[in-house]
Amino acid sequence: DVVMTQSPLSLSVTLGQPASISCRSSQTFVHSDGDTHLSWFQQRPGQSPRRLIYKVSRRDSGVPDRFSGSGSGTDFTLKISRVEAEDVGVYYCMQAPHWPWTFGQGTKVEIK
Amino acid sequence: QVQLVESGGGVVQPGGSLRLSCAASGFKLSQFAMHWVRQAPGKGLEWLAHVRGDGSAKYYGDSVTGRFTISRDNSKNTLYLQMDRLRVEDTGIYFCARDAYCSIDSWGQGTLVTVSS
Repeated sequence: DVVMTQSPLSLSVTLGQPASISCRSSQTFVHSDGDTHLSWFQQRPGQSPRRLIYKVSRRDSGVPDRFSGSGSGTDFTLKISRVEAEDVGVYYCMQAPHWPWTFGQGTKVEIK
Repeated sequence: QVQLVESGGGVVQPGGSLRLSCAASGFKLSQFAMHWVRQAPGKGLEWLAHVRGDGSAKYYGDSVTGRFTISRDNSKNTLYLQMDRLRVEDTGIYFCARDAYCSIDSWGQGTLVTVSS
């Protein structure tokens, strides 16, 4: 299985400051279509997950542009340029298409 | 808009069985692969199972292979997860989710399964 390792597991950020979450995979997972299918999800307290980013860096419709994804190979990053109160929650990376699909452990973001 | 509504959760004894359902609306279910993902209390997300739009292929996570079965009835716009030989560690919230070509773009609100004696 492809193991996804996130760091840090917890992040305390001052409002308006940037935040960065790392996601490293145990192996590359380039699809036969040539794309790397790495997604990022946000799960606010008490809510279902919501996708923010797919294919490493493509932002979903309605996702604020303060969220950005980058990376390649086995190293990926989710950045929040200026953290807002509504960004509190847990963030997960996920790889596909290697079966079984796997998530990172999650990174909890809170406001300092 | 896309709506996924899970049901069928509850309390079951270890070794027992439960069938979860996920009612889909706002899109044509047959055109999308679907997934089940779970979340143990206070823990992270765990991908469990996938089924293609026509049901022709299924994939499972290591922890549920041989015990859980994913299926679908496109005529009823419903996805299922048959869970057999349940264990205490299967306790958690079970989400159905819509596939978006090597990703997931929509999630249900989840249904709680508790395995306890």
